[in-house]
Amino acid sequence: GAVVSQHPSWVICKSGTSVKIECRSLDFQATTMFWYRQFPKQSLMLMATSNEGSKATYEQGVEKDKFLINHASLTLSTLTVTSAHPEDSSFYICSAREGVRQPQHFGDGTRLSIL
Amino acid sequence: GQNIDQPTEMTATEGAIVQINCTYQTSGFNGLFWYQQHAGEAPTFLSYNVLDGLEEKGRFSSFLSRSKGYSYLLLKELQMKDSASYLCAVSTSSASKIIFGSGTRLSIRP
Repeated sequence: GAVVSQHPSWVICKSGTSVKIECRSLDFQATTMFWYRQFPKQSLMLMATSNEGSKATYEQGVEKDKFLINHASLTLSTLTVTSAHPEDSSFYICSAREGVRQPQHFGDGTRLSIL
Repeated sequence: GQNIDQPTEMTATEGAIVQINCTYQTSGFNGLFWYQQHAGEAPTFLSYNVLDGLEEKGRFSSFLSRSKGYSYLLLKELQMKDSASYLCAVSTSSASKIIFGSGTRLSIRP
């Protein structure tokens, strides 16, 4: 159980393109979903927390207009990187949890490369 | 402030036992998690401790002392596939999010 699916796995696109990443909880209802980015050999950096039906809470330094998060249902959250540039190239990982004292379960991540 | 400390790197021998320590100072506490992350992959959940004591799950065990702000992950009968980063993470009082440590890169040698 507790499977989180994240798509796509890889994205390579030109600078200025907007990229949408989907995160789905397949066998549980995720009251909260989280979006992280990770640079090589560095730890996970939390970007934002999203609760179903409400606006996402962004961490300090993360641009809301740059990284649009939608959590329209209990099983789906999306992250859109708008007008992506090479410095946005990173490993983006989503996670989801069913309840407050439940562990977060991670998707397989999306490797984003902006040329 | 919020702070989670764990060693940056450790090395151990195949078949041996290794203990990875984690200390934390956070605004409240609602549980501690351990995750394993192989290079280039997403983290996978290993264990969750909310009460003091030892939780055993196969070759892996996790210990928690809330009064000391301390946890460890114990890996027994090490295998080469255990080479990975191990992340200590704490759920804070609001439990709205989990704070991750920087991770411990464990290398297993034959």
